[in-house]
Amino acid sequence: NAGVTQTPKFQVLKTGQSMTLQCAQDMNHNSMYWYRQDPGMGLRLIYYSASEGTTDKGEVPNGYNVSRLNKREFSLRLESAAPSQTSVYFCASSDRPNNSPLHFGNGTRLTVT
Amino acid sequence: GDSVTQMEGPVTLSEEAFLTINCTYTATGYPSLFWYVQYPGEGLQLLLKATKADDKGSNKGFEATYRKETTSFHLEKGSVQVSDSAVYFCALSDWSGNQFYFGTGTSLTVIP
Repeated sequence: NAGVTQTPKFQVLKTGQSMTLQCAQDMNHNSMYWYRQDPGMGLRLIYYSASEGTTDKGEVPNGYNVSRLNKREFSLRLESAAPSQTSVYFCASSDRPNNSPLHFGNGTRLTVT
Repeated sequence: GDSVTQMEGPVTLSEEAFLTINCTYTATGYPSLFWYVQYPGEGLQLLLKATKADDKGSNKGFEATYRKETTSFHLEKGSVQVSDSAVYFCALSDWSGNQFYFGTGTSLTVIP
């Protein structure tokens, strides 16, 4: 009963380094999302993919790129990490448009020094 | 645009106390409303939901009623337990079903 799986769980980067956060879901959901969570700011949407082959910007897309590799997988890439990208990143999926809720992974805690 | 406002925390209660966490929303059309709970080191889990006006969502003793006239979805529990200590998020999904909007979260600590 895996649900949404994110890797890695923790990562430390130096400013300017790049990395890709991986996300996979096994619930056959159409929609997938990337959020960041910062203290006092709740969750902010970075990018989402309403279906395989489509991606759209959310509230805070700058500095990030995404790839919807197939229906299961949705990756988030930081090309040149900055300290402002220190955050906890959550991937989520949903069976839209059937009004179902989001299902979240356990998050990736990223620190950029 | 759509948005969610929930009461600031942190909230500290004694075991068996009554809990209310206020949530109001702004949205066009007919959003669905959700409460999520986040335990330390974990992702958010759905606690309950309501998809139309006057619906009541309930789970694990928690309840919330979708009030369109007051644009509210307040979370309540009659008797909290230490195990309810967590961060609670109110959220809505917009009319298209493609986007979700979250409140800033309310941290709850229940002391024995």
